[in-house]
Amino acid sequence: AQSVTQLGSHVSVSEGALVLLRCNYSSSVPPYLFWYVQYPNQGLQLLLKYTTGATLVKGINGFEAEFKKSETSFHLTKPSAHMSDAAEYFCAVSEGSNDYKLSFGAGTTVTVRA
Amino acid sequence: NAGVTQTPKFQVLKTGQSMTLQCAQDMNHEYMSWYRQDPGMGLRLIHYSVGAGITDQGEVPNGYNVSRSTTEDFPLRLLSAAPSQTSVYFCASGGTGGAYGYTFGSGTRLTVV
Repeated sequence: AQSVTQLGSHVSVSEGALVLLRCNYSSSVPPYLFWYVQYPNQGLQLLLKYTTGATLVKGINGFEAEFKKSETSFHLTKPSAHMSDAAEYFCAVSEGSNDYKLSFGAGTTVTVRA
Repeated sequence: NAGVTQTPKFQVLKTGQSMTLQCAQDMNHEYMSWYRQDPGMGLRLIHYSVGAGITDQGEVPNGYNVSRSTTEDFPLRLLSAAPSQTSVYFCASGGTGGAYGYTFGSGTRLTVV
């Protein structure tokens, strides 16, 4: 079975500063990894995903994440925060192509200060 | 617009009542699932289906029932609502193997009083 840990339930950044959201996972097989974003009162939107191949993946809205197998991590970054990045972010993992089921982290709420 | 449609958006139930949350997708996805979202707990899988006629339990299935008679629809039934089922419910669908990520509906906010 897989599990996901997101470090920090709340992150506050200044507009223009680096956004770094941490995600560690456990999986018994090569995982598929995802980051989703949820804006207030909305559903979840896929930001980016890692399945196979290049370990640095780029997503929408300037976000990117790097899969580090040795550290079992998939941290999400954005070089320069924008006010519109204020949302809740979820890291999720599935056990590759053998398993459709997603396990989610508890989420990290990002606040952007002007 | 293509996607996952959930109805209703809001619902208030009395303890003991039953109801069905509807979910429909028009992307011909094999996989459909129901999650509940509670503060500080992320999303937890209730039930899922890998195709018409095939369903299975997730992490928190008690008190919920599902069926999948068509590829498009995956309703979630609350058999006898309890206050502990107050939550936001999301339906999601995905294509073969899960490699493409999942498309989520906009959610149903359920309150049980």
